[in-house]
Amino acid sequence: AQKITQTQPGMFVQEKEAVTLDCTYDTSDQSYGLFWYKQPSSGEMIFLIYQGSYDEQNATEGRYSLNFQKARKSANLVISASQLGDSAMYFCAMRERPPSGYSTLTFGKGTMLLVSP
Amino acid sequence: NAGVTQTPKFRILKIGQSMTLQCAQDMNHNYMYWYRQDPGMGLKLIYYSVGAGITDKGEVPNGYNVSRSTTEDFPLRLELAAPSQTSVYFCASSKISGTSAEQFFGPGTRLTVL
Repeated sequence: AQKITQTQPGMFVQEKEAVTLDCTYDTSDQSYGLFWYKQPSSGEMIFLIYQGSYDEQNATEGRYSLNFQKARKSANLVISASQLGDSAMYFCAMRERPPSGYSTLTFGKGTMLLVSP
Repeated sequence: NAGVTQTPKFRILKIGQSMTLQCAQDMNHNYMYWYRQDPGMGLKLIYYSVGAGITDKGEVPNGYNVSRSTTEDFPLRLELAAPSQTSVYFCASSKISGTSAEQFFGPGTRLTVL
């Protein structure tokens, strides 16, 4: 089973509107971290936002917020007031605490977001 | 700080050739990682290191080797390149390894094997 599922291959949004990018995850751990990264056409990976499994409040970073629903195992990214520069690939990722060894990031397949004027 | 740097940016290899992808970080991070990203896909972990002299396999290690002789450098070696290794390779580092550890990524190396 996939650990991170992003069901939207592509999303379209008009400038200044809000958009939600979906992410569901699969883990039996109680302690884990969820991350969102942005990958523009230039290719670099840009960290956007982090949510810890024990955090009671949803994470926010500027126009980015994470809608964390633990019981549903979902960690959707909400981008408010979309800008043309938000057009990019967006990846959801998770770090778990393994029984042995070290935690590493597992990525979803990504969602391509296109923002139109 | 330069952060995480990778060389080269682009490379074309012939089948059976070998090469080393270089990665360096100047943030004094103990943890370093190599990922590959195939077209339209997410990143998959190849190898990682928790400190100088300590490395371990990730999800897709076959066809690759790594070494970590210093904290700063984490080269990835491809022996006998195959077309299936055509991909974009990202190196990353993190200060800690817990579930909250943010990873900092290099700009990537685009490798084509013909």
